[in-house]
Amino acid sequence: AQKVTQAQTEISVVEKEDVTLDCVYETRDTTYYLFWYKQPPSGELVFLIRRNSFDEQNEISGRYSWNFQKSTSSFNFTITASQVVDSAVYFCALSENAGNNRKLIWGLGTSLAVNP
Amino acid sequence: DTGVSQNPRHKITKRGQNVTFRCDPISEHNRLYWYRQTLGQGPEFLTYFQNEAQLEKSRLLSDRFSAERPKGSFSTLEIQRTEQGDSAMYLCASSNLGTNNEQFFGPGTRLTVL
Repeated sequence: AQKVTQAQTEISVVEKEDVTLDCVYETRDTTYYLFWYKQPPSGELVFLIRRNSFDEQNEISGRYSWNFQKSTSSFNFTITASQVVDSAVYFCALSENAGNNRKLIWGLGTSLAVNP
Repeated sequence: DTGVSQNPRHKITKRGQNVTFRCDPISEHNRLYWYRQTLGQGPEFLTYFQNEAQLEKSRLLSDRFSAERPKGSFSTLEIQRTEQGDSAMYLCASSNLGTNNEQFFGPGTRLTVL
């Protein structure tokens, strides 16, 4: 069965600290996609990154970086030099490649509070 | 391109009433998804359309729920005889074959059943 676990329910940091959000997934598929979305207080889900299962290269986008490790089934997200505007709920999600429906299976989210 | 839009943004209704939500996906997207999100939870898949065909429905979607996408463009989600447990944020997302599963989400419709 597919499952996404985000063990950290809430994280609170002070501005400019680095913070890592953990994501562990389970799937029987050999081909799948992993995602991170941001949900600010306004509620709209904002796409951050997609990674397919064949691409284990880490990615950096500005202050954001992602570490994909198939050996540990993890796809962790790091924010460097956090800012107050990073305060949001962050969701990790999994989509399998089988069939037409690419529905997303979501973790419970990690609520990040960045304090000034 | 204005992104995915949903209407209404908020709906308050009394238990037992019917409600209908609308989703307008990004115009060239052929896939449309409905999810439901309750407080403190991640979104849960409800149903999926490819063009006008409804290809999958979650077990979460009871007989009181029905969704349509009549012309393969906008979609409606209707809940009949609403119950307090239906209170949630209803999210719509769209994607295209060429976007490698990247789903773009609308702002959601927040339903409160009194």
